[in-house]
Amino acid sequence: QSALTQPASVSGSPGQSITISCTGTSSDIGTYNFISWYQQHPGKVPKLMIFDVSHRPSGVSNRFSGSKSGNTASLTISGLQAEDEADYYCSSYTSDSTLVFGGGTKLTVL
Amino acid sequence: QVHLQESGPGLVMPSETLSLTCSVSGDSITNYYWGWIRQPPEKGLEWIIYMHHSGSTRYNPSLKSRLTMSMDTSKNQFTLKLSSVTAADTAVYYCARRKFDLEFDSWGQGTLVTVSS
Repeated sequence: QSALTQPASVSGSPGQSITISCTGTSSDIGTYNFISWYQQHPGKVPKLMIFDVSHRPSGVSNRFSGSKSGNTASLTISGLQAEDEADYYCSSYTSDSTLVFGGGTKLTVL
Repeated sequence: QVHLQESGPGLVMPSETLSLTCSVSGDSITNYYWGWIRQPPEKGLEWIIYMHHSGSTRYNPSLKSRLTMSMDTSKNQFTLKLSSVTAADTAVYYCARRKFDLEFDSWGQGTLVTVSS
């Protein structure tokens, strides 16, 4: 069970849009839509931002959106705000009936 | 609103068994699946296990041989046991609720477990 691949870091200026990629294989992202994204501020508990590829839980800003193409899932944050600076993790269901997380991406708002 | 709270020793000796309990309020653990995720210091999230009260359980393959999870519906809590721990098991351990699309939508505050003599 290998971790999903995410860029270690991304950055953007306030108001801009950024996209974080999450690359897996045909045994996870490529086959299943059970893909979630979590936001974690330093020292805080992870927060669910996206589930089922592109669905937002109640209370999550519509500036956050998710998508998938082939073996890669993506999280896009539009209208970047200072409060968006955090670590972001993707997760996916796998053909082994398990779950796997990505290595995490640190988002810096310049 | 569901609330989860982890409890257990913060220090475990190498080769011993780590044992944590998650107490749930605001929802019954007979609903949904419930599980554990951990995060070593300065590292990423690692899924450990999730379980349904019916007994259906899924394990992280790399940890499966050392894992036990149980659920006590009368107390509305569930327990994680990880045997033969080493320093590599030092982490913040989170309990969480897993919903239908396999997302963890509610998390405990996390508890740091250090493996050291």
